Amino acid sequence: EDKVVQSPLSLVVHEGDTVTLNCSYEVTNFRSLLWYKQEKKAPTFLFMLTSSGIEKKSGRLSSILDKKELSSILNITATQTGDSAIYLCAAGGTSYGKLTFGQGTILTVHP
Amino acid sequence: KAGVTQTPRYLIKTRGQQVTLSCSPISGHRSVSWYQQTPGQGLQFLFEYFSETQRNKGNFPGRFSGRQFSNSRSEMNVSTLELGDSALYLCASSLQGAGLNPWGWKGNEQFFGPGTRLTVL
Repeated sequence: EDKVVQSPLSLVVHEGDTVTLNCSYEVTNFRSLLWYKQEKKAPTFLFMLTSSGIEKKSGRLSSILDKKELSSILNITATQTGDSAIYLCAAGGTSYGKLTFGQGTILTVHP
Repeated sequence: KAGVTQTPRYLIKTRGQQVTLSCSPISGHRSVSWYQQTPGQGLQFLFEYFSETQRNKGNFPGRFSGRQFSNSRSEMNVSTLELGDSALYLCASSLQGAGLNPWGWKGNEQFFGPGTRLTVL
């Protein structure tokens, strides 16, 4: 059975701190690893990592895929209160339309 | 380009009733996936539709069903509602959906709608 595990489950930091969120996966015929940010609404797409793109960066957010270790990290530098959210990691294989999600990491950034 | 839309945004039903939720994907996207999100189980895959065909189904009872129309809009139906069906129901659209095709890797890029919050009393 496909499985995605995230750690830590929650994290409290202060503005300006740097955080690293972890994700490990076991997915049949793995193809891609995705990160989403969820506030009080639907998940918002952040990154998709594949064998042809194992590193992505957008502003203060960056992510790396380690296919050997079956894991990924999401880094957020110079955190802001607006970064407070649940960060979801999901893995997809060749199973049509199916992403397997982790439990999420609840990030709280205090001013 | 407009995002994924879902209607209604909120629903309150009682046990035993049935409900239909609607999802309109991003223009040009042909694959629609449905997920159930609960505090205890997180996001769980329900099913996926592509070109009006259900291509994949998760581990949910037969009370959960869906369909897709020729314009790629999709509906999800839950019959004989139970208290445990209370959840946020999310649909996501992607260009192709995953699968054994040259664009399989791109198909995993899914974009979510705002969700329908279903409460069963």
